Amino acid sequence: QLQLQESGPGLVKPSETLSLTCTVSGGSISSSSYYWGWIRQPPGKGLEWIGSIYYSGSTYYNPSLKSRVTISVDTSKNQFSLKLSSVTAADTAVYYCARRSLGVAKNQDRFDYWGQGTLVTVSS
Amino acid sequence: DIQMTQSPSSLSASVGDRVTITCRASQSISSYLNWYQQKPGKAPKLLIYAASSLQSGVPSRFSGSGSGTDFTLTISSLQPEDFATYYCQQSYSTLPFTFGPGTKVDIK
Repeated sequence: QLQLQESGPGLVKPSETLSLTCTVSGGSISSSSYYWGWIRQPPGKGLEWIGSIYYSGSTYYNPSLKSRVTISVDTSKNQFSLKLSSVTAADTAVYYCARRSLGVAKNQDRFDYWGQGTLVTVSS
Repeated sequence: DIQMTQSPSSLSASVGDRVTITCRASQSISSYLNWYQQKPGKAPKLLIYAASSLQSGVPSRFSGSGSGTDFTLTISSLQPEDFATYYCQQSYSTLPFTFGPGTKVDIK
């Protein structure tokens, strides 16, 4: 069974860089059928897609965060990572990593496996 | 960005009730629509993809319908474990993917 697990600091100071890693187990991150992504949820609020990466390293980001986001992949460790720079209190959220399955048809694009999430608080 | 709206924002229902949640997109998204269930403190769980395809392992009391801009998630007979928040998400435009604001289903 595929499992995703987020790891990283739970507290980040304002203006610093948030760094998280997602470790994938039970399957290979190097499959051509999937992208790997990050989604966040501020406390009590809805879901916001941050960005995604393919095993080859191709990335695409939410335009609203693009200037501050970097997502990278390490296929040797079956991991992918998120860096979000210049954080403010507005970046306080539960951060989820997730697998994006492309499906056979284009409309079958969906996030089908999620990590448990990790709360990152931005505070001095 | 494609904006997603949901109605109602919350509803109260009883076990055994038929529940319907609506999702609307700001432009046509064909059938590029997914539904997720989220329980408190847990990650979202995929229920329905491509507007009407049931994700493996999801009970058949969940169903989805719609195309274009208007979509519906139906729970045919609400069970105690179904009390949760439900989100729709469009995959028509991948820059960015967007989610609806959620519909909270609680116990009447």
